[in-house]
Amino acid sequence: AQKVTQAQTEISVVEKEDVTLDCVYETRDTTYYLFWYKQPPSGELVFLIRRNSFDEQNEISGRYSWNFQKSTSSFNFTITASQVVDSAVYFCALSDYKLSFGAGTTVTVRA
Amino acid sequence: GAVVSQHPSRVICKSGTSVKIECRSLDFQATTMFWYRQFPKQSLMLMATSNEGSKATYEQGVEKDKFLINHASLTLSTLTVTSAHPEDSSFYICSARDQRTGGYEQYFGPGTRLTVT
Repeated sequence: AQKVTQAQTEISVVEKEDVTLDCVYETRDTTYYLFWYKQPPSGELVFLIRRNSFDEQNEISGRYSWNFQKSTSSFNFTITASQVVDSAVYFCALSDYKLSFGAGTTVTVRA
Repeated sequence: GAVVSQHPSRVICKSGTSVKIECRSLDFQATTMFWYRQFPKQSLMLMATSNEGSKATYEQGVEKDKFLINHASLTLSTLTVTSAHPEDSSFYICSARDQRTGGYEQYFGPGTRLTVT
């Protein structure tokens, strides 16, 4: 069975601080994909990144970066120099065929 | 590309009535679509997997007679909530799998907020 754990329920920071969201997953599959999604108050899910199980290269996209460590089954997400517009719920998800979502982390960035 | 739409975006219905939610893939064909449900401040829970031309596969605990899913074409899946009750009020989100990308990625619709009074 697949499982995704996001241990942080809520994180509150002041603008320009860095934020790291933790994601730990469990799967018996050797081939799988990991995702991060952002859900702003409007409710629509915004795709941020997809990473397959064979690609452990870290990735940076603007102020966003991701650290994938297969040895610890973790796929952490960092927002550098946070902005108020980053306030949202962030979900980590795991897919072999179906998507399993973590519980989500609510990020609040205060001006 | 890979746009998924949902209609309606918001619906209010009276207890005991039925409501249909449409999910469309606008620029790709989706042999598989998924329906999720999200209660306030909770995560997305998969309700069912919808395959074009065949019966939907429901997750454990989801009443298939209450949540009717039809996937009659490669671009349209519908979810009908029958005999709705206030506890069915929720945010319903669909997603579609694009076979062109290898099948692992799902594209999400904007969601439908259902309120049953």
